[in-house]
Amino acid sequence: AQRVTQPEKLLSVFKGAPVELKCNYSYSGSPELFWYVQYSRQRLQLLLRHISRESIKGFTADLNKGETSFHLKKPFAQEEDSAMYYCALNGADKLIFGTGTRLQVFP
Amino acid sequence: DVKVTQSSRYLVKRTGEKVFLECVQDMDHENMFWYRQDPGLGLRLIYFSYDVKMKEKGDIPEGYSVSREKKERFSLILESASTNQTSMYLCASSLFGGLGSGANVLTFGAGSRLTVL
Repeated sequence: AQRVTQPEKLLSVFKGAPVELKCNYSYSGSPELFWYVQYSRQRLQLLLRHISRESIKGFTADLNKGETSFHLKKPFAQEEDSAMYYCALNGADKLIFGTGTRLQVFP
Repeated sequence: DVKVTQSSRYLVKRTGEKVFLECVQDMDHENMFWYRQDPGLGLRLIYFSYDVKMKEKGDIPEGYSVSREKKERFSLILESASTNQTSMYLCASSLFGGLGSGANVLTFGAGSRLTVL
């Protein structure tokens, strides 16, 4: 079965602390994974995708096929990082989203 | 430079009413999608379309139908609205689907918050 699991509904950290938003997936083929973000009062938008191996707004995510994970990390959280984050898996004909993790960064 | 436009930002309807949610994209994308977004449940796919007049059921199509008469427009229809359809509805489009670089990178609309009383 194709599935994306985000175990944390809410993650709260203080500014400057490291952040790791967890994402695990279940997929029989070679996965393509994404992180989408929704800031308050804004549209859901692509943050990054694993095939690009890029760092966006200080965030990185590494695909670990052995652990079937695609955790999103940032070494020093900023208040403007507060948002809803969704991990997504390309299931060939559609994207499969996780349930999302709300990140709160306190000053 | 708005690329995916949802016609209604907020709607309030009564149980049993027919509801139309409209979505238009100006990027000449082949694929269009309708999701509903609920706290704790994430995004759930209702219907999607790969081409004009084509539609495919998503994970939760019950109680919904769609129409795609033109490439740029994808409408979601609630034939008889019920209170459990109160939700945020998100429209999205992508250039193409399948697997490979860039596939299924979605551009989302601002959302339509529907309340059914």
